Amino acid sequence: GIQVEQSPPDLILQEGANSTLRCNFSDSVNNLQWFHQNPWGQLINLFYIPSGTKQNGRLSATTVATERYSLLYISSSQTTDSGVYFCAVERANAGNMLTFGGGTRLMVKP
Amino acid sequence: DAGVTQSPTHLIKTRGQHVTLRCSPISGHKSVSWYQQVLGQGPQFIFQYYEKEERGRGNFPDRFSARQFPNYSSELNVNALLLGDSALYLCASRQEFFSYEQYFGPGTRLTVT
Repeated sequence: GIQVEQSPPDLILQEGANSTLRCNFSDSVNNLQWFHQNPWGQLINLFYIPSGTKQNGRLSATTVATERYSLLYISSSQTTDSGVYFCAVERANAGNMLTFGGGTRLMVKP
Repeated sequence: DAGVTQSPTHLIKTRGQHVTLRCSPISGHKSVSWYQQVLGQGPQFIFQYYEKEERGRGNFPDRFSARQFPNYSSELNVNALLLGDSALYLCASRQEFFSYEQYFGPGTRLTVT
């Protein structure tokens, strides 16, 4: 099956700092989503971005499908950004299942 | 609009018992998927249902089964519970079989003792 690797696995930031999270995948995909999992376990949709660049407030994401990676940028981080960030991908004709990476655990300190 | 809802939120069961978890998709969404997330890992795909038919199955034993009802809600059943079944069970919905963005519910946290 497809492999999804996220880096770094853990990240500690001071409030106000910027960060870049990376997601590498091993095969072509027709869906890529970024999620933020809060401490209660809820997966919150951040971006649906199989290719191109999108921005939503302090967050932006870029997927370069031909090179099989995606980046999530967090600017001016806040303590509420803490949690686990997951990248998940889906291949065509693969049961319409999302395959998740291992996540990046982010802690933003005040 | 209400998001994906799941019940119960927490559940404690004993080894060997059976459990049923429930999910209601976003209104208008016809596809429901189930995922298992054990502590410290990303979610793992269990099943996808669309129009009451199973359309995908992950690498889980036959103790796991599911179904989808005419109103597109879904149940996940797990028989003969093992300690290793302790996890957060997540339900996701999408509008159509070929529409790609999935939306997740808050999950059911199952503890098997």
